[in-house]
Amino acid sequence: NAGVTQTPKFRILKIGQSMTLQCAQDMNHNYMYWYRQDPGMGLKLIYYSVGAGITDKGEVPNGYNVSRSTTEDFPLRLELAAPSQTSVYFCASNGAYNSPLHFGNGTRLTVT
Amino acid sequence: AQSVTQPDIHITVSEGASLELRCNYSYGATPYLFWYVQSPGQGLQLLLKYFSGDTLVQGIKGFEAEFKRSQSSFNLRKPSVHWSDAAEYFCAAPNSGGYQKVTFGTGTKLQVIP
Repeated sequence: NAGVTQTPKFRILKIGQSMTLQCAQDMNHNYMYWYRQDPGMGLKLIYYSVGAGITDKGEVPNGYNVSRSTTEDFPLRLELAAPSQTSVYFCASNGAYNSPLHFGNGTRLTVT
Repeated sequence: AQSVTQPDIHITVSEGASLELRCNYSYGATPYLFWYVQSPGQGLQLLLKYFSGDTLVQGIKGFEAEFKRSQSSFNLRKPSVHWSDAAEYFCAAPNSGGYQKVTFGTGTKLQVIP
């Protein structure tokens, strides 16, 4: 009963490096989301997907890219890491747009 | 534009005291609303949701929330707080830009003192 799995849990990047944050869900959910959480700011939506092959921008998409080739996986790509991308990243999914979100445990990313 | 406002950044209550966390939303149509709780180092867990019908909804861990359309509010309550309730609480509602885009408030951090 894994739910939403995120890897890695922690990562330190140097400015300009790239990386992919992995997210997988085993609940056959159509909808998947990436949020970033910064202290005192709540969660901001980066990108979301309503099904395999369909993605769209959220509130703060700049500096990120996503793909959704399968129902299960929704990786988030940082191409040129910047200190402003230091944050905790959460992946979430739900089976319908108005259903509660199921969250992963997050990836804590530091860019120095 | 849609927004969710949690006016209290930090609240401290004594164990056994009652609790009310405030949430206001701005959304034209009847919204669906959520409260989530986040323990340190964890993801968010659903406490309760309002979709339609009875405006007083019950959730897990003894929490309840009341939807008041006239006040655009969805406040979270608990009659008697336990030390294990110390966490950060987030209210969430759909974004007017699309139902898929759920917007979260900035959170209220709850401290429970003995």
